[in-house]
Amino acid sequence: DQQVKQNSPSLSVQEGRISILNCDYTNSMFDYFLWYKKYPAEGPTFLISISSIKDKNEDGRFTVFLNKSAKHLSLHIVPSQPGDSAVYFCAATFTNAGKSTFGDGTTLTVKP
Amino acid sequence: NAGVTQTPKFRVLKTGQSMTLLCAQDMNHEYMYWYRQDPGMGLRLIHYSVGEGTTAKGEVPDGYNVSRLKKQNFLLGLESAAPSQTSVYFCASRPPQGWIEKLFFGSGTQLSVL
Repeated sequence: DQQVKQNSPSLSVQEGRISILNCDYTNSMFDYFLWYKKYPAEGPTFLISISSIKDKNEDGRFTVFLNKSAKHLSLHIVPSQPGDSAVYFCAATFTNAGKSTFGDGTTLTVKP
Repeated sequence: NAGVTQTPKFRVLKTGQSMTLLCAQDMNHEYMYWYRQDPGMGLRLIHYSVGEGTTAKGEVPDGYNVSRLKKQNFLLGLESAAPSQTSVYFCASRPPQGWIEKLFFGSGTQLSVL
């Protein structure tokens, strides 16, 4: 049973437009969610996170929205840039879990 | 500031051979992790450690062993490599629970088992 799902393996958007990446989870114990970005031949790097006590968190061009009732979160990138082209992983954890559960990733391609 | 360093970056093994992957972090982090990533799949947790001298199983521990003899190092061993263990392996670390939750990853080890 996959507890964190990213149902879109890939997404292509035009430079300057909005990119929306989605993530669903099934475990209601999860209370902290993170997005990581991964370029080819590199390790993932942390992008942005959100606690379950919030429904939105912004950091520059990146905003994460959390809908707890739907067990859904999304990452918005506005405006999208070619350098944003990467694989984006959604991850979830809960207090005292000591570990995170990852989705399968979404490959974002931003076309110039 | 090196962060998380993985050794080696690439390795080719024959079925049945053994090897050890080394992960070293210089951030004084308590928690360390080994993940594997296969094509089209996310990061799956192999083993992890919440402190020096401790280890715990993750989602896919079979065929692997780990040791955390020193706080800064986390070793992943394959005793008898199988083609199914062909993958990219990532080590990660983070501060203890209650601190910032994010993981710091190494650059990965590409392992091929023939």
